[in-house]
Amino acid sequence: AQTVTQSQPEMSVQEAETVTLSCTYDTSESDYYLFWYKQPPSRQMILVIRQEAYKQQNATENRFSVNFQKAAKSFSLKISDSQLGDAAMYFCAYRSGPGAGNNRKLIWGLGTSLAVNP
Amino acid sequence: DTAVSQTPKYLVTQMGNDKSIKCEQNLGHDTMYWYKQDSKKFLKIMFSYNNKELIINETVPNRFSPKSPDKAHLNLHINSLELGDSAVYFCASSQGMRQGGNTIYFGEGSWLTVV
Repeated sequence: AQTVTQSQPEMSVQEAETVTLSCTYDTSESDYYLFWYKQPPSRQMILVIRQEAYKQQNATENRFSVNFQKAAKSFSLKISDSQLGDAAMYFCAYRSGPGAGNNRKLIWGLGTSLAVNP
Repeated sequence: DTAVSQTPKYLVTQMGNDKSIKCEQNLGHDTMYWYKQDSKKFLKIMFSYNNKELIINETVPNRFSPKSPDKAHLNLHINSLELGDSAVYFCASSQGMRQGGNTIYFGEGSWLTVV
């Protein structure tokens, strides 16, 4: 079974600085997808970025980028130029590829609570 | 233009009542989900429907009954509410497997408080 581990329950960063949130996963599959979701205090679940395992290039979305190390099964999220609005809980998630069937679930980490200090 | 919308956003109700949460998605997806997030923020899938067919049914009390009138809607009905049902319930959707849908998009959540 697949697992996702976020080893940092809480982190903080100064506004305008860069922070990296770590995520590791365990799987025997070769085809899968990885996601970072952001959950602000409003509790809305917002997709931040996604990475296809078959792509070697790290995904980037504006100030958000990932460091995807497939062999090490590591998927960290880097937030550059941190803003107050980035304060939220960040969840790392794994999903099997389509070949696993239609009932493939999102496997979630326990989340990292990020505080942004002005 | 909310992609996945669920109502109500907030719901406070007494134990023993029956309540429903509605969900609609306008993304053209054919797979929809219900997740429960408890006070410790642990997300747990409850149900998943693909083209109105139930494909994931996790171990939840049978007081919880999903209903999918069409592939754009997935409602959640809860009978005989208990204190432990208090949580945030998220509706979500994705494209089906054949379309290579891999990203799951979430609604804003419905905060249910049972008193």
